Amino acid sequence: GQNIDQPTEMTATEGAIVQINCTYQTSGFNGLFWYQQHAGEAPTFLSYNVLDGLEEKGRFSSFLSRSKGYSYLLLKELQMKDSASYLCAVRGSARQLTFGSGTQLTVLP
Amino acid sequence: GAGVSQSPSNKVTEKGKDVELRCDPISGHTALYWYRQSLGQGLEFLIYFQGNSAPDKSGLPSDRFSAERTGGSVSTLTIQRTQQEDSAVYLCASSYTSGRGLGSYEQYFGPGTRLTVT
Repeated sequence: GQNIDQPTEMTATEGAIVQINCTYQTSGFNGLFWYQQHAGEAPTFLSYNVLDGLEEKGRFSSFLSRSKGYSYLLLKELQMKDSASYLCAVRGSARQLTFGSGTQLTVLP
Repeated sequence: GAGVSQSPSNKVTEKGKDVELRCDPISGHTALYWYRQSLGQGLEFLIYFQGNSAPDKSGLPSDRFSAERTGGSVSTLTIQRTQQEDSAVYLCASSYTSGRGLGSYEQYFGPGTRLTVT
Protein backbone atom coordinates (compact mmCIF):
# COMPACT_ATOMS: atom_id res chain seq x y z
CA GLY A 1 0.00 0.00 0.00
CA GLN A 2 0.89 3.67 -0.12
CA ASN A 3 1.28 5.87 2.93
CA ILE A 4 2.56 9.42 3.01
CA ASP A 5 2.85 11.47 6.20
CA GLN A 6 3.49 15.16 6.64
CA PRO A 7 2.62 17.62 9.41
CA THR A 8 -0.82 19.16 9.17
CA GLU A 9 0.16 22.73 10.03
CA MET A 10 3.26 24.85 10.48
CA THR A 11 3.77 28.51 11.33
CA ALA A 12 6.85 30.62 10.65
CA THR A 13 7.89 34.26 10.56
CA GLU A 14 8.56 36.33 7.46
CA GLY A 15 12.25 36.17 6.56
CA ALA A 16 12.83 32.93 8.44
CA ILE A 17 13.61 29.40 7.20
CA VAL A 18 11.14 26.53 7.49
CA GLN A 19 11.54 22.82 6.82
CA ILE A 20 8.53 20.68 5.94
CA ASN A 21 9.11 16.95 6.39
CA CYS A 22 7.54 14.07 4.52
CA THR A 23 7.88 10.35 5.18
CA TYR A 24 6.57 7.71 2.82
CA GLN A 25 6.00 4.00 2.43
CA THR A 26 5.14 3.01 -1.11
CA SER A 27 5.10 0.05 -3.45
CA GLY A 28 8.02 0.92 -5.66
CA PHE A 29 9.59 4.34 -5.98
CA ASN A 30 9.95 6.46 -9.08
CA GLY A 31 10.33 9.93 -7.69
CA LEU A 32 9.02 12.36 -5.11
CA PHE A 33 7.33 15.65 -5.93
CA TRP A 34 6.52 18.75 -3.94
CA TYR A 35 3.59 20.94 -4.96
CA GLN A 36 2.37 24.28 -3.61
CA GLN A 37 -1.35 24.95 -3.39
CA HIS A 38 -2.85 28.30 -2.48
CA ALA A 39 -6.38 28.29 -1.15
CA GLY A 40 -8.91 27.79 -3.93
CA GLU A 41 -6.24 27.26 -6.55
CA ALA A 42 -4.71 24.30 -8.35
CA PRO A 43 -1.48 22.74 -7.10
CA THR A 44 1.66 24.01 -8.83
CA PHE A 45 4.87 22.03 -9.22
CA LEU A 46 7.82 22.98 -7.02
CA SER A 47 10.39 20.20 -7.15
CA TYR A 48 11.23 16.64 -8.10
CA ASN A 49 13.71 14.24 -6.49
CA VAL A 50 14.50 10.74 -7.69
CA LEU A 51 18.08 10.35 -6.40
CA ASP A 52 19.32 10.90 -2.87
CA GLY A 53 20.47 14.39 -2.06
CA LEU A 54 19.51 18.01 -2.20
CA GLU A 55 17.96 19.81 -5.15
CA GLU A 56 18.11 23.59 -4.91
CA LYS A 57 15.92 25.97 -6.85
CA GLY A 58 16.09 29.56 -5.69
CA ARG A 59 14.59 29.98 -2.24
CA PHE A 60 13.26 26.42 -2.29
CA SER A 61 15.27 23.24 -1.80
CA SER A 62 14.14 19.63 -1.58
CA PHE A 63 15.99 16.70 -0.05
CA LEU A 64 15.50 12.97 -0.48
CA SER A 65 16.75 9.89 1.35
CA ARG A 66 15.36 6.78 -0.32
CA SER A 67 16.77 4.41 2.32
CA LYS A 68 14.89 6.30 5.03
CA GLY A 69 11.75 6.98 2.99
CA TYR A 70 12.16 10.64 3.87
CA SER A 71 12.09 13.99 2.16
CA TYR A 72 11.94 17.59 3.21
CA LEU A 73 11.14 20.88 1.54
CA LEU A 74 13.20 23.83 2.76
CA LEU A 75 11.91 27.34 2.25
CA LYS A 76 14.32 30.21 2.87
CA GLU A 77 13.71 33.94 3.28
CA LEU A 78 10.04 33.34 3.81
CA GLN A 79 7.59 35.77 2.25
CA MET A 80 3.94 36.32 3.06
CA LYS A 81 3.00 34.88 -0.33
CA ASP A 82 4.54 31.56 0.74
CA SER A 83 1.52 30.97 2.98
CA ALA A 84 -0.05 27.95 1.29
CA SER A 85 -0.49 24.21 1.55
CA TYR A 86 2.55 22.16 0.56
CA LEU A 87 1.83 18.71 -0.83
CA CYS A 88 4.29 15.84 -0.85
CA ALA A 89 3.57 13.26 -3.57
CA VAL A 90 5.27 10.00 -4.50
CA ARG A 91 5.21 8.16 -7.78
CA GLY A 92 5.31 4.46 -6.98
CA SER A 93 5.35 1.67 -9.49
CA ALA A 94 2.56 3.21 -11.54
CA ARG A 95 2.38 6.57 -13.23
CA GLN A 96 -0.06 8.30 -10.94
CA LEU A 97 1.01 10.20 -7.86
CA THR A 98 0.03 9.40 -4.30
CA PHE A 99 -0.36 12.62 -2.33
CA GLY A 100 0.00 13.35 1.35
CA SER A 101 -2.69 15.39 3.05
CA GLY A 102 -0.62 18.55 2.78
CA THR A 103 1.05 20.89 5.27
CA GLN A 104 -0.68 24.24 5.74
CA LEU A 105 2.06 26.84 6.20
CA THR A 106 1.19 30.21 7.69
CA VAL A 107 3.79 32.97 7.40
CA LEU A 108 3.40 35.69 10.01
CA PRO A 109 4.70 39.26 9.66
CA GLY B 1 -4.41 26.42 -24.72
CA ALA B 2 -1.79 27.63 -22.31
CA GLY B 3 -2.83 25.38 -19.47
CA VAL B 4 -5.23 22.70 -18.33
CA SER B 5 -8.81 23.91 -18.33
CA GLN B 6 -11.81 22.41 -16.59
CA SER B 7 -15.51 23.08 -16.78
CA PRO B 8 -17.70 23.90 -15.08
CA SER B 9 -15.77 25.69 -12.35
CA ASN B 10 -18.63 25.14 -9.92
CA LYS B 11 -21.50 22.67 -10.00
CA VAL B 12 -24.33 22.37 -7.54
CA THR B 13 -26.56 19.37 -8.04
CA GLU B 14 -29.26 17.52 -6.21
CA LYS B 15 -28.64 14.11 -4.72
CA GLY B 16 -29.43 11.40 -7.24
CA LYS B 17 -28.69 13.48 -10.34
CA ASP B 18 -25.92 12.67 -12.82
CA VAL B 19 -23.09 15.14 -13.46
CA GLU B 20 -20.44 15.39 -16.13
CA LEU B 21 -17.13 17.16 -15.60
CA ARG B 22 -14.86 18.13 -18.44
CA CYS B 23 -11.09 18.47 -18.73
CA ASP B 24 -9.05 19.95 -21.58
CA PRO B 25 -5.39 19.00 -21.12
CA ILE B 26 -2.35 20.89 -22.35
CA SER B 27 -1.90 20.30 -26.06
CA GLY B 28 0.57 17.47 -26.69
CA HIS B 29 0.27 15.96 -23.23
CA THR B 30 -0.48 12.27 -23.65
CA ALA B 31 -1.18 11.45 -20.00
CA LEU B 32 -4.25 12.71 -18.17
CA TYR B 33 -5.18 12.21 -14.52
CA TRP B 34 -8.27 12.79 -12.44
CA TYR B 35 -8.01 13.46 -8.70
CA ARG B 36 -10.51 14.36 -6.01
CA GLN B 37 -9.79 16.70 -3.10
CA SER B 38 -12.13 16.93 -0.17
CA LEU B 39 -12.01 19.95 2.13
CA GLY B 40 -8.70 20.11 3.98
CA GLN B 41 -7.53 16.83 2.53
CA GLY B 42 -4.85 15.74 0.11
CA LEU B 43 -5.51 14.66 -3.43
CA GLU B 44 -7.12 11.27 -3.98
CA PHE B 45 -6.23 9.57 -7.27
CA LEU B 46 -9.23 8.47 -9.34
CA ILE B 47 -8.12 7.40 -12.83
CA TYR B 48 -5.29 7.80 -15.31
CA PHE B 49 -5.35 7.88 -19.11
CA GLN B 50 -2.49 7.24 -21.48
CA GLY B 51 -3.83 8.36 -24.82
CA ASN B 52 -7.44 7.20 -24.92
CA SER B 53 -6.99 4.12 -22.77
CA ALA B 54 -7.20 3.95 -19.00
CA PRO B 55 -4.60 1.46 -17.71
CA ASP B 56 -5.40 2.30 -14.10
CA LYS B 57 -8.94 2.75 -12.84
CA SER B 58 -8.12 1.58 -9.34
CA GLY B 59 -9.01 4.86 -7.68
CA LEU B 60 -12.61 5.12 -8.85
CA PRO B 61 -14.64 4.96 -5.61
CA SER B 62 -17.62 3.07 -7.02
CA ASP B 63 -19.30 1.96 -10.23
CA ARG B 64 -21.20 5.26 -10.23
CA PHE B 65 -17.97 6.87 -11.44
CA SER B 66 -16.76 6.54 -15.02
CA ALA B 67 -14.46 8.45 -17.31
CA GLU B 68 -13.55 8.54 -20.93
CA ARG B 69 -11.11 10.32 -23.16
CA THR B 70 -11.50 10.83 -26.87
CA GLY B 71 -9.04 11.88 -29.52
CA GLY B 72 -6.23 11.75 -27.00
CA SER B 73 -7.39 15.09 -25.70
CA VAL B 74 -10.59 16.01 -23.86
CA SER B 75 -11.72 13.84 -20.98
CA THR B 76 -15.03 13.67 -19.17
CA LEU B 77 -15.64 12.31 -15.69
CA THR B 78 -19.23 11.21 -15.11
CA ILE B 79 -20.79 10.63 -11.72
CA GLN B 80 -24.17 8.91 -11.77
CA ARG B 81 -26.74 9.14 -9.00
CA THR B 82 -24.64 11.62 -7.04
CA GLN B 83 -24.42 11.30 -3.27
CA GLN B 84 -23.51 13.95 -0.70
CA GLU B 85 -20.17 12.27 -0.07
CA ASP B 86 -19.27 13.01 -3.70
CA SER B 87 -19.00 16.71 -2.81
CA ALA B 88 -15.38 17.72 -3.41
CA VAL B 89 -13.11 19.55 -5.81
CA TYR B 90 -12.34 17.40 -8.83
CA LEU B 91 -8.92 18.17 -10.28
CA CYS B 92 -7.58 17.16 -13.65
CA ALA B 93 -3.89 17.09 -14.50
CA SER B 94 -1.90 16.32 -17.61
CA SER B 95 1.70 15.49 -18.27
CA TYR B 96 4.01 14.81 -21.12
CA THR B 97 5.24 11.23 -21.31
CA SER B 98 7.45 9.60 -23.86
CA GLY B 99 9.12 6.26 -24.21
CA ARG B 100 9.06 3.78 -21.39
CA GLY B 101 10.81 5.82 -18.73
CA LEU B 102 8.85 7.78 -16.20
CA GLY B 103 11.24 10.67 -15.81
CA SER B 104 10.37 13.88 -14.05
CA TYR B 105 7.12 14.31 -15.91
CA GLU B 106 5.49 16.76 -13.59
CA GLN B 107 1.76 17.01 -13.72
CA TYR B 108 0.14 20.31 -14.54
CA PHE B 109 -3.16 20.83 -12.81
CA GLY B 110 -6.30 22.55 -13.92
CA PRO B 111 -8.26 24.90 -11.64
CA GLY B 112 -10.70 22.16 -10.66
CA THR B 113 -14.45 21.76 -10.56
CA ARG B 114 -16.07 22.31 -7.17
CA LEU B 115 -18.97 19.86 -6.93
CA THR B 116 -21.60 20.33 -4.26
CA VAL B 117 -24.31 17.71 -3.86
CA THR B 118 -27.30 18.95 -1.87
